Amino acid sequence: TQLLEQSPQFLSIQEGENLTVYCNSSSVFSSLQWYRQEPGEGPVLLVTVVTGGEVKKLKRLTFQFGDARKDSSLHITAAQPGDTGLYLCASPSSNSGYALNFGKGTSLLVTP
Amino acid sequence: DTAVSQTPKYLVTQMGNDKSIKCEQNLGHDTMYWYKQDSKKFLKIMFSYNNKELIINETVPNRFSPKSPDKAHLNLHINSLELGDSAVYFCASSQGVSMDIQYFGAGTRLSVL
Repeated sequence: TQLLEQSPQFLSIQEGENLTVYCNSSSVFSSLQWYRQEPGEGPVLLVTVVTGGEVKKLKRLTFQFGDARKDSSLHITAAQPGDTGLYLCASPSSNSGYALNFGKGTSLLVTP
Repeated sequence: DTAVSQTPKYLVTQMGNDKSIKCEQNLGHDTMYWYKQDSKKFLKIMFSYNNKELIINETVPNRFSPKSPDKAHLNLHINSLELGDSAVYFCASSQGVSMDIQYFGAGTRLSVL
């Protein structure tokens, strides 16, 4: 099972600040997804990255996939309280059908 | 309409009891899953079920058994509940293509006393 390491584990910032969270593995990702989970809810897909060096933007969120496809980052510009949640990266499991292996997540708190 | 719905939302029970969690998806997806999220928020696959083929994560105790009466439903039955089973259980579904979007239910918080 591919291990996905996320950092930082916790992040508490004020509204308007920028932040970056990371997802790394010692082996190559075939592809990678980022999910956000809000309290009391299930994860919701933000983006899928497939190609090394790929950059995708979703409003104030910018996702990068490393050239070697071993790492990915999520950058949030001018964070807002609505960005609060658990950010999870995930990659396909090699031995569980179409299931996902998840990292342990970055818990983000944005205070007004 | 909720795409993936789970019931109950909360489940509190005693050790040794048997309980079930129900899951239904109205997306017409071919594949459904059960994930377990522990107290540290680590989300781990338990089962995936695609067109009557069940793929089991080897670390899941055999006290856990998924049951799929039809393509839209995947229920989770747990026998002889233990304290360590306390967690949030998520059902999810996808079309079944690699890295397709997975849609998650809101979770069932199980507390074993």
